[in-house]
Amino acid sequence: GAVVSQHPSRVICKSGTSVKIECRSLDFQATTMFWYRQFPKQSLMLMATSNEGSKATYEQGVEKDKFLINHASLTLSTLTVTSAHPEDSSFYICSARDWLVGTSGGFDNEQFFGPGTRLTVL
Amino acid sequence: QKEVEQNSGPLSVPEGAIASLNCTYSDRGSQSFFWYRQYSGKSPELIMSIYSNGDKEDGRFTAQLNKASQYVSLLIRDSQPSDSATYLCAVLPSGTYKYIFGTGTRLKVLA
Repeated sequence: GAVVSQHPSRVICKSGTSVKIECRSLDFQATTMFWYRQFPKQSLMLMATSNEGSKATYEQGVEKDKFLINHASLTLSTLTVTSAHPEDSSFYICSARDWLVGTSGGFDNEQFFGPGTRLTVL
Repeated sequence: QKEVEQNSGPLSVPEGAIASLNCTYSDRGSQSFFWYRQYSGKSPELIMSIYSNGDKEDGRFTAQLNKASQYVSLLIRDSQPSDSATYLCAVLPSGTYKYIFGTGTRLKVLA
């Protein structure tokens, strides 16, 4: 199946620093990747959609200058949390959409999630 | 506002029983439906996708879709303690590539 990796899996940083999270599709090309954030006992919240070679599309209420997204290749998207503060502490998860490989073998819309990055800002 | 609704639970079932998880959605034009399993502290894992009315079976899992009634369900047969997790229903509304997620149902399988 489609595999998505994320790095780092866990990061602790001081308030005011920037943190970069990488998301890679390992065995398929992902023209679209998604970035989610999840607070404890809550569901996934879509932050932005990342398209290869173009600017990311941010959801309402998500600051694009704070959460910088770059999708430089078909297998890599990065999320940089700039000037992180304690309220940014959360579980950040990326997903990638694979048009070609689905459980039915056809052109499906399945998203495959990375393992997530737990960010703690002190 | 396109919505996906799930009962938050917890849904407790004894080991070996059938667990039934339900999800309703508001966008009538939705065509793609997904069930994800999420263990505590982990990211979601795709269990099933379903696109047509009726049942789709994969091992112990059966997804059921009824577009007329706008609901999708997941049945887990012979439930095991390892099935204890939060199950997220995701819907792909018409005209978009962005999933709408439900808040998830927490399942507890009691040994």
